[in-house]
Order: sequence, then structure tokens, then C-alpha cells
Amino acid sequence: QTVVTQEPSLTVSPGGTVTLTCASSTGAVTSGYHPNWFQQKPGQAPRALIYSTSNKHSWTPARFSGSLLGGKAALTLSGVQPEDEADYYCLLYYGGDWVFGGGTKLTVL
Amino acid sequence: EVQLVESGGGLVQPGGSLRLSCAASGFTFVSYWMTWVRQAPGKGLEWVANINHDGSGKFYVDSVKGRFTISRDNAKNSLYLQINSLRVDDTAVYYCARGGEAFAECQHWGQGTLVTVSS
Repeated sequence: QTVVTQEPSLTVSPGGTVTLTCASSTGAVTSGYHPNWFQQKPGQAPRALIYSTSNKHSWTPARFSGSLLGGKAALTLSGVQPEDEADYYCLLYYGGDWVFGGGTKLTVL
Repeated sequence: EVQLVESGGGLVQPGGSLRLSCAASGFTFVSYWMTWVRQAPGKGLEWVANINHDGSGKFYVDSVKGRFTISRDNAKNSLYLQINSLRVDDTAVYYCARGGEAFAECQHWGQGTLVTVSS
């Protein structure tokens, strides 16, 4: 069974920079896994942020960026705002089906 | 504006069945892959199944294969999830999501419908 692993929790100061990562139990994450990233706030449906590694949706704030880093997919937030406090999930493609990571709870403190 | 509205959730006994629906509007439904995602109370997201434009291609997470069936009616702009042999661990909010271009999976989301499996 494929497992996608994210940091369970991270803390960042307002205005700071933080990188969330997403690893696959099958090996290095490449562009062929088409990493997607989502943000979810309490009581709300998830919101898409990034697709196919680094592409932003029209509504994605500029401070969010996606990349591949050290064999993992990565989501970097630069100039973090208090409203960025949320759960973040990555989603990887496995040639037909997709698998979510367990999520990272980002605290802005 | 893209709108996805799920319905059909509720309380059901273990072993029972439900049919979830997702009414889509604000876009050309037939042009997009559609997906179901679920989230158990207090837990993370789980990708459940998706279906291609004309319904000829379907993919499922292993844990639901043989029990869940995804389908769509492009004439009614609707997506469905038939859930059989329900188990307590199927309790979750079930979200309908629309794909985008270039492997933009789940670009737009509905608000979800709650399925509770309990005796």
C-alpha cells in the first residue's frame, strides 16, 4: 500500500518562510507524480493551491510556490500571513489513482 | 461560477447502502474528470475515486473496490457514488470535486455531505 508522508505539524512566525514536504513510499517524487497541494481551514472544504508541481491556480496567492526538493514535492510559503494557519495536504498521482498525504498542520505564531 | 452541491448523505446501519449525488453547474460538465474525496471526523483527506469525461474510465482506492461505484450522467450534469456494504470506518464527509487541466486534480470542491455509519 502506497503511503504519502508529510510533516505532521510545523510552526512559523508571521512574515517568515516555511517549506512543507511530501514524500512517497515508492521512492523519489518526480514531476510524473503531478503533485497537487491543498489548503483546508477548520469547518471548510479544501481549496486547491498548486497543481503539477508548481502551477498556481488563478486564486493562489503569490507567496505560495511549489517545487521538487531532495526527492520530495515541496510547498513553500514566503512572507507567511496569519490567515495561512491551516492544514495543508499534498496529492500524488500513481498512474490512475491518486493518494493524499496525511497533512501538515501549519501554525502561525 | 463553478458550483458543486452534494446530497444523499445520512445515517445508515452497517451493511447498508447509500447513493450520493453531486449536482454541477457553472461549467461544461462533460469536459472534466470528476472525483470523490472523503474525510473521516478529525482525520485527513482520502482520495476515493474518479471518473473520466464520458464515464468509460474509473479509478478507485483499494479500500473501496468492489463496494463503491462512481458514475456520471452528463445530460443531468450530475456525479454519483453508490456505496454498498457500508462499514463504520466509511463514516466521513464525502466531497465532490472537479478536475482541471494538466493533472489539476480536484481544482474545485463542493461543501460535502456527511455519511454516518452506525447501529
